[in-house]
Amino acid sequence: GQQVMQIPQYQHVQEGEDFTTYCNSSTTLSNIQWYKQRPGGHPVFLIQLVKSGEVKKQKRLTFQFGEAKKNSSLHITATQTTDVGTYFCAGNSNAGGTSYGKLTFGQGTILTVHP
Amino acid sequence: NAGVTQTPKFRILKIGQSMTLQCTQDMNHNYMYWYRQDPGMGLKLIYYSVGAGITDKGEVPNGYNVSRSTTEDFPLRLELAAPSQTSVYFCASIGRGAQPQHFGDGTRLSIL
Repeated sequence: GQQVMQIPQYQHVQEGEDFTTYCNSSTTLSNIQWYKQRPGGHPVFLIQLVKSGEVKKQKRLTFQFGEAKKNSSLHITATQTTDVGTYFCAGNSNAGGTSYGKLTFGQGTILTVHP
Repeated sequence: NAGVTQTPKFRILKIGQSMTLQCTQDMNHNYMYWYRQDPGMGLKLIYYSVGAGITDKGEVPNGYNVSRSTTEDFPLRLELAAPSQTSVYFCASIGRGAQPQHFGDGTRLSIL
């Protein structure tokens, strides 16, 4: 079945440093979504990428979708303590028919920010 | 607008006991999902439903059952609780395919 790998598993940064997490799928994706989960909380949707090579920005966050639609990245510029949490990518594949919105989640990257 | 509501928030079960995790949404969403999240791991899909009366297995369905008698409710049943089912369970919903999933706050379940 479809697998989504995400690296690194952990990232510790000093406040103000940049952060990047990478996501790779074993199959071509129809779209990819990114979620953030604060400690003790539930995943909260950040963004969805659909087009090959797409780049989207949300303030200090930059999201990219690879040309082959099998990989993606999230880059945070100048991290702040409010960025602490786990960042998940989640892939949606229509291979073989309708996916019914099912997502395959990566393992997540746990980000800690030291003030 | 409450969104997706899960009850209970916490529960401790003994091995072999059964329980139902409740999930209800007030957004008239057709698609609903149950995930489990083990410590330091991503979310694994247990079961999903595309509408009332229609359910299907996800990646890790063993030991669980679901039903979907109404659009709003999607309960998850554990029949014979095992320590391996200790996890955080999340329910989510979307209106239709390829939309962002709305998650409930989760149920933290420990089986001892």
